[in-house]
Amino acid sequence: GQQLNQSPQSMFIQEGEDVSMNCTSSSIFNTWLWYKQEPGEGPVLLIALYKAGELTSNGRLTAQFGITRKDSFLNISASIPSDVGIYFCAGRTSGTYKYIFGTGTRLKVLA
Amino acid sequence: DAGVTQSPTHLIKTRGQHVTLRCSPISGHKSVSWYQQVLGQGPQFIFQYYEKEERGRGNFPDRFSARQFPNYSSELNVNALLLGDSALYLCASSLEGTSYEQYFGPGTRLTVT
Repeated sequence: GQQLNQSPQSMFIQEGEDVSMNCTSSSIFNTWLWYKQEPGEGPVLLIALYKAGELTSNGRLTAQFGITRKDSFLNISASIPSDVGIYFCAGRTSGTYKYIFGTGTRLKVLA
Repeated sequence: DAGVTQSPTHLIKTRGQHVTLRCSPISGHKSVSWYQQVLGQGPQFIFQYYEKEERGRGNFPDRFSARQFPNYSSELNVNALLLGDSALYLCASSLEGTSYEQYFGPGTRLTVT
């Protein structure tokens, strides 16, 4: 099935470091969502973006809707061990009802 | 408030059998979407229902069907199960119309042997 490209695929970082990941598409989206998923659980919504250029924060997390509307970015500042998990982006085009998910970025934080 | 609930949590079926998965959306949400997540991949869209009508269908065979009830809960049915249907099946609910944020349930882990 169709998936968006996310990079990096995985990251191993030290506690306290900042993290950046991105998601790219060949299609223009009008909505971007970012999720975190832990083993055996459903994805948890972190941030929703609706306008090109929009920058939205949720605590230590900040996400941006790319100007081209074909990409989005997620930053995590001062990482902590509970940030461990898989982060997914999801995009939706105008006039459709489905979200297309990214391939995921697996984050591991070393204490 | 309760989040999205799904049942059962786990299920083991044999090839060729039929399965029914259930989902209750967040109170006030009228839209339910179903996704399949194979190990190591992101969720893949199967269906979306809004006000009991199918609004979207992903690239899945006709063995997959769904419906939404007057109370906005939903069922996903899969017939003639194949080994490749083994996956985590996720249900997401959303308000639609005013918000396109989708909130996921814990999923049903289906294993086909």
